[in-house]
Amino acid sequence: DVKVTQSSRYLVKRTGEKVFLECVQDMDHENMFWYRQDPGLGLRLIYFSYDVKMKEKGDIPEGYSVSREKKERFSLILESASTNQTSMYLCASSFRQETQYFGPGTRLLVL
Amino acid sequence: QKEVEQNSGPLSVPEGAIASLNCTYSDRGSQSFFWYRQYSGKSPELIMFIYSNGDKEDGRFTAQLNKASQYVSLLIRDSQPSDSATYLCAVNGASGGSYIPTFGRGTSLIVHP
Repeated sequence: DVKVTQSSRYLVKRTGEKVFLECVQDMDHENMFWYRQDPGLGLRLIYFSYDVKMKEKGDIPEGYSVSREKKERFSLILESASTNQTSMYLCASSFRQETQYFGPGTRLLVL
Repeated sequence: QKEVEQNSGPLSVPEGAIASLNCTYSDRGSQSFFWYRQYSGKSPELIMFIYSNGDKEDGRFTAQLNKASQYVSLLIRDSQPSDSATYLCAVNGASGGSYIPTFGRGTSLIVHP
C-alpha cells in the first residue's frame, strides 16, 4: 500500500513564525503536491514537484515556498505565517498522471 | 484556465437509492479522470478512475465518461449512510510534460436511512 505521511496532524503557530510542513511518500513517486483546502473553496494547488529539486508554482504560491532535496520528501515552508494561512494542508503524490495518494492532512491554526 | 465543475449539493438520497454525481470539465486534452471520496475531517481517497469513453463498474460504483460532451459521472447503487461524504471529481491533463490534476469543489452527498 502507498503511504503518504505528514509531519503533524495539528499545528498552532503565531503570526510571523516560520512554519515547516513535511511530507514523505514511500512509493518512489515522481510527482508530489501541496494543497490547501478551505470550506467552499475546494482543493487549491500551492506547489508541485515532478522531480528532485524541481518545483512549479500552483494556483496560490504567494507566501509559500517548497523544497524537494530527496525524491521521497517534499516540504512546504511558510516564511512568515499569517492568519489567512490558517487552513487544512494536504500533501499528495502520484506516478505520472495516475491516482493521487493523499496524506492525512495538517490542520494549521495561525494566531 | 482549466475548470472542473460540480454541483456543490447537498445531494440527499434515501438509503438503497441510486446516487448520481456529475462533473463537467473544460480542457478537451484531458486524459484521465478520477473520483475521490472525502469524509469530513479526513483526506480524499480514490473511489474510481476512468480513462476511456464508456462505463466502468466496480462493485456498487459506476463511472461514466463522455469525452465528446466533456462529462464524467459517478453512480452509486444501493446507497448506504456510510456513503455520506463529499465526492471530488479530478481531471488530469499534460502541462509542459508534467501532470497536474484539476479538482472540482466537490458534491456533498447525504444518504438518509
